[in-house]
Amino acid sequence: DAGITQSPRHKVTETGTPVTLRCHQTENHRYMYWYRQDPGHGLRLIHYSYGVKDTDKGEVSDGYSVSRSKTEDFLLTLESATSSQTSVYFCATGQGSNSPLHFGNGTRLTVT
Amino acid sequence: RKEVEQDPGPFNVPEGATVAFNCTYSNSASQSFFWYRQDCRKEPKLLMSVYSSGNEDGRFTAQLNRASQYISLLIRDSKLSDSATYLCVVNFRTGNQFYFGTGTSLTVIP
Repeated sequence: DAGITQSPRHKVTETGTPVTLRCHQTENHRYMYWYRQDPGHGLRLIHYSYGVKDTDKGEVSDGYSVSRSKTEDFLLTLESATSSQTSVYFCATGQGSNSPLHFGNGTRLTVT
Repeated sequence: RKEVEQDPGPFNVPEGATVAFNCTYSNSASQSFFWYRQDCRKEPKLLMSVYSSGNEDGRFTAQLNRASQYISLLIRDSKLSDSATYLCVVNFRTGNQFYFGTGTSLTVIP
């Protein structure tokens, strides 16, 4: 969706380094999500936000933290990257449980 | 047990064929249901929402069976451009979390 931008699109980093992924939306959606997608697992929720400064954990939150200081931006931080965090990360936004999610175009992260 | 389960396929069908995918979910209190399409190395894109009475969009028909806890997607007159992975998505009433199936791979063959 044109209204959701992820940066960077690709990143290669070394084990132990911190990494921050950014999601920016112009949709004014209340809810924002970070998912990771891996072969055989599909999309798994890392963290989500239901408003500015309001966040909660998903099913695979260990090793990740998030922040949402304004409606438009949702940051995902890997404090100390590990090889198991090599994945494709998708940001999504939504307006509530009865509305579909809209996705950014993804960030491909490789941890060496 | 996974919250949402799909047959991963792959489904290889000839052009013009009709193909159906099913998806089962574990939480009977599930609130909303969707089908997404994902092309290789791209983000998932909404194909259609699934309504209780069933709904159709051109060659695509989605149905919901709450008693048996599954949703289905029917594609008629398959086109080469339908080749993709199809993801079912369920939102449970508890919390605003969306659960994804692992996807079903479809290849339409000329």
